[in-house]
Parts: sequence; C-alpha cells; structure tokens
Amino acid sequence: RKEVEQDPGPFNVPEGATVAFNCTYSNSASQSFFWYRQDCRKEPKLLMSVYSSGNEDGRFTAQLNRASQYISLLIRDSKLSDSATYLCVVNRRGGADGLTFGKGTHLIIQP
Amino acid sequence: DGGITQSPKYLFRKEGQNVTLSCEQNLNHDAMYWYRQDPGQGLRLIYYSQIVNDFQKGDIAEGYSVSREKKESFPLTVTSAQKNPTAFYLCASRYAGERNSPLHFGNGTRLTVT
Repeated sequence: RKEVEQDPGPFNVPEGATVAFNCTYSNSASQSFFWYRQDCRKEPKLLMSVYSSGNEDGRFTAQLNRASQYISLLIRDSKLSDSATYLCVVNRRGGADGLTFGKGTHLIIQP
Repeated sequence: DGGITQSPKYLFRKEGQNVTLSCEQNLNHDAMYWYRQDPGQGLRLIYYSQIVNDFQKGDIAEGYSVSREKKESFPLTVTSAQKNPTAFYLCASRYAGERNSPLHFGNGTRLTVT
C-alpha cells in the first residue's frame, strides 16, 4: 500500500454541485494532515489543516477517520474557480522530514 | 508581507552545467525544504534544513547540494551529476518542532536542461 494515496480523477462536476474525495494513508501513527490546492503550473497553497474533530471553512469541510486511515475533503456549492488539483499531505512521523504528499486529485468544475 | 521568494521563475541550462536556485523567506521559519515535482507526480523531498548550518538529505538528494548559512536563505544547486534535472522545483518553509505547522511554498522555479 502506498504511504499516501489519492484517486487522480479527473472528477468532472457541474457548477453548484457538492463533491467529495478521500485520501488514504498507510501509517497509523501519522500525526497531522493537510489539504493543499494546486493550480496548473503553480505552487501548492494551503487550503486547510485537518483536525481530529473535523473542521469547516466556508464551503469546505475536512474530516479525519483514524480507524479507517483516511481524510476527506468536501466542497459544497462548487464554483468554476474550484477547478484545481487537491493534494493531501500527511505528517507520518511528526518530524521535519515526515511530510508525505499524495499525487493529487484533479477536479474540473463545469459550467 | 511575509513570504517565500524563489528566483528565477524559469531557468534554462545546457547539460553538464551546474545551476543554483535561490530561495529566501521572511516568515522567521526555522525549517526549509526543497521539493521536486514532475508531471503527474507527487512532490518528492530533495533536502531539508531545520537550523542554520545543518541540513539533511531527503528521498532524492543525489545530484543536488544545498547550504544554509542564514536562516532566511536555502539555495539549491543542481549539479551535472543529476541525471534528469528538468523539473519544477519548489522551496517551502515551516516552523520546526510544531508538528501541525503547515508548509508554505514559494512560487517555484521551472528548470529546463537541454
């Protein structure tokens, strides 16, 4: 099993719809989790950290399921500007070198 | 405004030449990182540094070198020993010692070697 795994997509979703995707991780001792957004040929930008109790930021909701070892990102009322690649990042050891990136899920919002 | 600055944005070099990519941050972060991203691939760690004058190899350090003489600066040299240097290079920083501290990225350098 890969350390951090994401469905590469693309997910084609109509504008206004709700979309969700998951990221699974293999190390049960992983300690912190993040979602980043990356636009084509740009740097990744932090979307949100993922907390144990789940957290919400506007239209975005992130959740952690430690028992099944995955995190999820839900986007409500999707906008055209949400089209991007969403990267999952897991800090598997808690140290400076423990950050592992998934390859990303490509999301396309269609008008 | 605080941030991370990478330069240049685009870099073209001939095979066999060493090239140095610049990374400067004014976020007062202790830890700095260099990643490489290839099309359709995840980010791979080249080198990282948690304090001045100290750095560690990441997963793909062969053919690269770094220095950390100042807290703000973490330049990366791509040497002629790197077999496939053409890639998108990303510098990042974060607070060391805080496991929930996220990475902040510079805007990247796209290196093309022919």
